[in-house]
Amino acid sequence: GAVVSQHPSRVICKSGTSVKIECRSLDFQATTMFWYRQFPKQSLMLMATSNEGSKATYEQGVEKDKFLINHASLTLSTLTVTSAHPEDSSFYICSASLNRANYGYTFGSGTRLTVV
Amino acid sequence: RKEVEQDPGPFNVPEGATVAFNCTYSNSASQSFFWYRQDCRKEPKLLMSVYSSGNEDGRFTAQLNRASQYISLLIRDSKLSDSATYLCVAVTDSWGKLQFGAGTQVVVTP
Repeated sequence: GAVVSQHPSRVICKSGTSVKIECRSLDFQATTMFWYRQFPKQSLMLMATSNEGSKATYEQGVEKDKFLINHASLTLSTLTVTSAHPEDSSFYICSASLNRANYGYTFGSGTRLTVV
Repeated sequence: RKEVEQDPGPFNVPEGATVAFNCTYSNSASQSFFWYRQDCRKEPKLLMSVYSSGNEDGRFTAQLNRASQYISLLIRDSKLSDSATYLCVAVTDSWGKLQFGAGTQVVVTP
């Protein structure tokens, strides 16, 4: 089955620093990956759609200069939170689909970011 | 208005009982629907797809009502391990963008 690996699972960083989160599709190629953010007791909110070899598509209200997405290969997408602030503390999750026609999406295990 | 809305619950269910809950979606062009399960502080995991004719997977039954724009999930013979938050998901465009509901919490008690 489709496996998506996300790393790191947990990170604590100081305010003003940048954090990179990796999302890998381990046994399939993913031309499209999605990045979500989830605050406590809230739904997953789509931040951006990451397209291999092209620029990411950001959702309204998501700052593209703050959340840098790179999808350099068919198996790797990265999300960099630049100049992190405490309000960026959240659960970040990526997802990808083995077969878009079936829309069976697999999620990475998530990254819990705490900015202090 | 949110694209996908769910009753947050919690639904407190005695072990062995049946529980059902709905999810409404606002975009009539939504093509596909899923139920995901999310345990506390973990990533969502696909529970089942929802087909137009309704479908069953073991103790779980999903229904789609396009006319009223809602989907439902029914859990029979609830187990303690069914305690989780159930996320309703609609696919709203050709890129496969998922719209999540905020989740319905189910607590199965002994």
